[in-house]
Amino acid sequence: SQQGEEDPQALSIQEGENATMNCSYKTSINNLQWYRQNSGRGLVHLILIRSNEREKHSGRLRVTLDTSKKSSSLLITASRAADTASYFCATDRFENTDKLIFGTGTRLQVFP
Amino acid sequence: EAGVAQSPRYKIIEKRQSVAFWCNPISGHATLYWYQQILGQGPKLLIQFQNNGVVDDSQLPKDRFSAERLKGVDSTLKIQPAKLEDSAVYLCASTLPRTGPFYEQYFGPGTRLTVT
Repeated sequence: SQQGEEDPQALSIQEGENATMNCSYKTSINNLQWYRQNSGRGLVHLILIRSNEREKHSGRLRVTLDTSKKSSSLLITASRAADTASYFCATDRFENTDKLIFGTGTRLQVFP
Repeated sequence: EAGVAQSPRYKIIEKRQSVAFWCNPISGHATLYWYQQILGQGPKLLIQFQNNGVVDDSQLPKDRFSAERLKGVDSTLKIQPAKLEDSAVYLCASTLPRTGPFYEQYFGPGTRLTVT
């Protein structure tokens, strides 16, 4: 079963714009991760945020986590055509951190 | 560092036939995962190995799917017999033993299976 639900399902923007995608999940977690998937490089880990963190940055990525709402958002600033990909959130379970459950994904298209 | 290797990259079979996928994880990675990703969905865990032992196979359709990791390194996933709904990308991932709460999985390129 899918733990997370991302929205929007699809997003199209112009280069230079910001892209925001959201993830909601159902059960208590230890960590939430974001992954990117494109045809060239497969599924790649982007960033991890722990359940006791509220915000984290990595380069052009900004992730927020609201455990009270069981939701997270991924912001990509100054997007590039190379950011075109599907983005997935993945959560573990509070009682089992070795098993990831992926969301349904957001397909991002960045036009030059 | 070499990544997770998978083969074949593509496979087309007819329903009721058998198929096998191979995965070679990153050297030293004790934990290995097989995922099924149906078009338009996120990856779904099928089975998790720790060295050569199964940790979690609760979502593996055991009537037709089997997996092994005999020497704690390479792994094979088999489907016998295949059904149309098995058409998907099969992803292998590996990770180091967990020494803290942080945990990242490294994924292979996947095998795209088409069942006709």
